[in-house]
Amino acid sequence: GAVVSQHPSRVICKSGTSVKIECRSLDFQATTMFWYRQFPKQSLMLMATSNEGSKATYEQGVEKDKFLINHASLTLSTLTVTSAHPEDSSFYICSATPGLAIPNEQFFGPGTRLTVL
Amino acid sequence: AQSVTQLDSQVPVFEEAPVELRCNYSSSVSVYLFWYVQYPNQGLQLLLKYLSGSTLVESINGFEAEFNKSQTSFHLRKPSVHISDTAEYFCAVSRDSSASKIIFGSGTRLSIRP
Repeated sequence: GAVVSQHPSRVICKSGTSVKIECRSLDFQATTMFWYRQFPKQSLMLMATSNEGSKATYEQGVEKDKFLINHASLTLSTLTVTSAHPEDSSFYICSATPGLAIPNEQFFGPGTRLTVL
Repeated sequence: AQSVTQLDSQVPVFEEAPVELRCNYSSSVSVYLFWYVQYPNQGLQLLLKYLSGSTLVESINGFEAEFNKSQTSFHLRKPSVHISDTAEYFCAVSRDSSASKIIFGSGTRLSIRP
């Protein structure tokens, strides 16, 4: 149980285009989802926290107009990288938590590797 | 605010040797502690966690970690490593409340030599 999927697993796009990444909790309802980015050989950096039906909370230094997060249902959150540029190339990982059902444990998706040419 | 320090960016060891990956944290409130493992080109998998109770926690594949409040440490150990343990290991901390964000350490790359 507690599986989180991400789609696509890998995407290559041209500079200036927008890319949408989906994060789904497959067998539980996720009250909260988190989005991280990971540069090569570095740790995960939290980008934003999203709760179903409300606006995401972005970490300091993360442009909310560039990284649009929508958490439309208890099993789906999307991250849209708008007007992507080569410096946005990274490994994007989402996580989801069932909240009080399993306190304070996050289940991670397999990640999406974004390459912007 | 919470923070995590992993002192070793890389730890090379021989197969079947013991290993310790160090992790120290700082926090002014009670915390939960985690170790995650990331195999090449994959997402994170929870290895073990400390929420409360016994300070020694174990994983199903032979790793263990001990929560030491006085030293603010949560070091990861394994008495005998295998080639398959080669991966990046992340120590992480979150506040002692549900749905708190997790703060990750910088990671330790464990490489196993035959």
